[in-house]
Order: sequence, then C-alpha cells, then structure tokens
Amino acid sequence: KNEVEQSPQNLTAQEGEFITINCSYSVGISALHWLQQHPGGGIVSLFMLSSGKKKHGRLIATINIQEKHSSLHITASHPRDSAVYICAVAGGSGSRLTFGEGTQLTVNP
Amino acid sequence: KAGVTQTPRYLIKTRGQQVTLSCSPISGHRSVSWYQQTPGQGLQFLFEYFSETQRNKGNFPGRFSGRQFSNSRSEMNVSTLELGDSALYLCASSSLAYEQYFGPGTRLTVT
Repeated sequence: KNEVEQSPQNLTAQEGEFITINCSYSVGISALHWLQQHPGGGIVSLFMLSSGKKKHGRLIATINIQEKHSSLHITASHPRDSAVYICAVAGGSGSRLTFGEGTQLTVNP
Repeated sequence: KAGVTQTPRYLIKTRGQQVTLSCSPISGHRSVSWYQQTPGQGLQFLFEYFSETQRNKGNFPGRFSGRQFSNSRSEMNVSTLELGDSALYLCASSSLAYEQYFGPGTRLTVT
C-alpha cells in the first residue's frame, strides 16, 4: 500500500462543475502539499497545509489530521483547470516529500 | 524575485555516459531538493541539501549524487547512465517555512 493514496486517478468534468480530489496518507506528517502539473512538466505549489482549511480563488484545500485525509476542491471549474493534481506529504524534516500518483483532471467546455 | 531555474532544460545522453544537472534556487532559500519523475514510478525524492550538507536521501543507487555550493546552487550527477534514468528531474527550493517552489525541470533522455 502506498503511503499516499489519491482518488480518483482520472476525472472528467463539465465547465462549471464542483470538483473534489481526495488524498489519504498513512504516515505522520508535518505538512501536506497540493501541487498542480500542466503538460510540459512544470509544477506549481497550490497549498501547503498542516491543519484546517485554506482558500485561494476558486480552490479550497482541507485537511483532517486525525483521519489522515485531505481534499482539494475546485469551484466553478474551467477548462484551464485541466492538469494533473498531486498530493504530497512532508515528514518530520519538512522538505522531503512523498507523492501520490496524481489525479488527471480534464474540464470540458 | 526570480524563480527556481534549472539547466539544461533538455538533454540527450547515451547509456554509460554521465550527466550533471544544475539548479539555482530562489534567492535566500537555503534548501534544495531533487526529484525524479517517470511514467512508471511517478515522482520520487532523490535528495535534499541544506547549507551545503545533504540532509535527506531517497532510495536511489549511488550513481545518483549531488552537492550544494555556498551560494545555495545545487548540482546533481548521474554516472553510468541507464535507459531507466530517462526522466524529468525537478528541483525545488524552500525557505525555513518548508513551502517548496519547483523549477521547470530537466528532461533527460538516455538512448
């Protein structure tokens, strides 16, 4: 079993839909990261969480430390949101990340 | 502030050769981490350097090595290249707050 599990692996939505991507982890963490990767490879850090909830524009990330679970929500999805979304957890030292397999999101107009 | 830069962006090498990749972190960031991304294994941690010292190391063979200079720039070296080393190599820099900023990556193809 992977230390970081994401679901779903693939997600297709219509523009405007509300999207949720889930991440479960099995190890103790100091922080959880949500990353976005577009074709071509560049990775952008969306959120770093150690508790609670963060919001940036149409993106919301939540984490439940007791349940070892995090969710990334996208409200009013848009075709430009199409990308791979990756959950990653940081252990005690903070900078070493363990990654989930990623969720390929496609938003159709 | 300028972002994380990686050079070269693309590289083609032959089996058995060695390669050196470079990463310049965001100014003021002292931690640089390296990651390998392949279609089969996804993203995997290679190593992390902080103030010229290797602070963490992933499960990669000794052919993979790195170093960090006093200006925080980092290099990673892969010796005796194998076909399976073909991958996107990403570096990320972070401050003490641990939020990581990724570079654009170097795409290495081994033939």
